[in-house]
Amino acid sequence: EAQVTQNPRYLITVTGKKLTVTCSQNMNHEYMSWYRQDPGLGLRQIYYSMNVEVTDKGDVPEGYKVSRKEKRNFPLILESPSPNQTSLYFCASSPYDLSRAEAFFGQGTRLTVV
Amino acid sequence: DAKTTQPNSMESNEEEPVHLPCNHSTISGTDYIHWYRQLPSQGPEYVIHGLTSNVNNRMASLAIAEDRKSSTLILHRATLRDAAVYYCILSPTGGSNYKLTFGKGTLLTVNP
Repeated sequence: EAQVTQNPRYLITVTGKKLTVTCSQNMNHEYMSWYRQDPGLGLRQIYYSMNVEVTDKGDVPEGYKVSRKEKRNFPLILESPSPNQTSLYFCASSPYDLSRAEAFFGQGTRLTVV
Repeated sequence: DAKTTQPNSMESNEEEPVHLPCNHSTISGTDYIHWYRQLPSQGPEYVIHGLTSNVNNRMASLAIAEDRKSSTLILHRATLRDAAVYYCILSPTGGSNYKLTFGKGTLLTVNP
């Protein structure tokens, strides 16, 4: 089954403790992205990757890092999480340019930073 | 980026058709119109997209106005499972487009 898998689904952590949210897709898609969703602000893009070793900032990249060492994986790294990073995170993948292709989203990771 | 305007909420009855409108008066000639939906506690899900002509797929139909300043997502027979937030998104071409800009969307309630 074609899917984007995120782990963990739920995470509670403390301020400053490094964490990684994993994202994996099994569709051989070139493009992957991370979004965060907050009440009243909607979904906003954090980072995206056009292919292996090629990443770029989205609209809200501060406090986040990403890497794309393999095509299927695109982890989101929070080096020093803060309470304002409490949010619902979604990973997405697409075969190519989003103007013509559909994006596939993961089920989400609900992160709470205390 | 060109903006879209959708009603905050709509209500429908089960097994009846639903027409979800979207206004995009500043759309450019190369913007695709995409629709996604987000069911409760899930990630967004692609529904349909089109450029100029009306489009049909197994989930829905997309009717695009002749001047492209508005479009309508049509669910032919709403089910309880269609209750979700529906997002109308303009997706530009003419360069690499790696972002979906989500607005507030329309919350669709389906009554049994």
